Amino acid sequence: DAGVIQSPRHEVTEMGQEVTLRCKPISGHDYLFWYRQTMMRGLELLIYFNNNVPIDDSGMPEDRFSAKMPNASFSTLKIQPSEPRDSAVYFCASSFRDSSTPQETQYFGPGTRLLVL
Amino acid sequence: RKEVEQDPGPFNVPEGATVAFNCTYSNSASQSFFWYRQDCRKEPKLLMSVYSSGNEDGRFTAQLNRASQYISLLIRDSKLSDSATYLCVVNYRKQFYFGTGTSLTVIP
Repeated sequence: DAGVIQSPRHEVTEMGQEVTLRCKPISGHDYLFWYRQTMMRGLELLIYFNNNVPIDDSGMPEDRFSAKMPNASFSTLKIQPSEPRDSAVYFCASSFRDSSTPQETQYFGPGTRLLVL
Repeated sequence: RKEVEQDPGPFNVPEGATVAFNCTYSNSASQSFFWYRQDCRKEPKLLMSVYSSGNEDGRFTAQLNRASQYISLLIRDSKLSDSATYLCVVNYRKQFYFGTGTSLTVIP
């Protein structure tokens, strides 16, 4: 398996522009997570989906952020309009809940480094 | 209060040393526990799960103390390749809470 795939790997944009980040989870995984990582705040969960349905978006910072998962193999995180304080690394992760094991693990994509000027 | 707290370090240790990291979590109902490793400019990767009875994987030993709500990671015989940031992770109701990480540098 190719693992979690994210695109683009790097994005530089100007304040006010729309930014769309993309994620393809590992095939067969039924959970998908979006995180943001900064030096100051570490890894923060933004939103997660189960079977393509958003379950908890309480970590989404504000209305400028939105996420969708139209099917099991694709998700987007959109920022509109973008601001300099949105600069961070955005990770997508996926996991599979196996009832036979008490633990489950998340597999992270390589991340998208976003810089908003 | 943060869900998961870790000493950010940095820990600078010589090769061959033993080093231990601790982490505390605030929610006593947390269900599962992990240590992840993150190399510079890379994504976090699972190092090991942490079980109540404690578990070992080669040079790495993880312990969980539910009563005190802390998790530990012990690395024996440190290698240069162990240099990374170690993230403590706690799961509660499908949400994964990450600590800010402890930075380790193993010095030749």
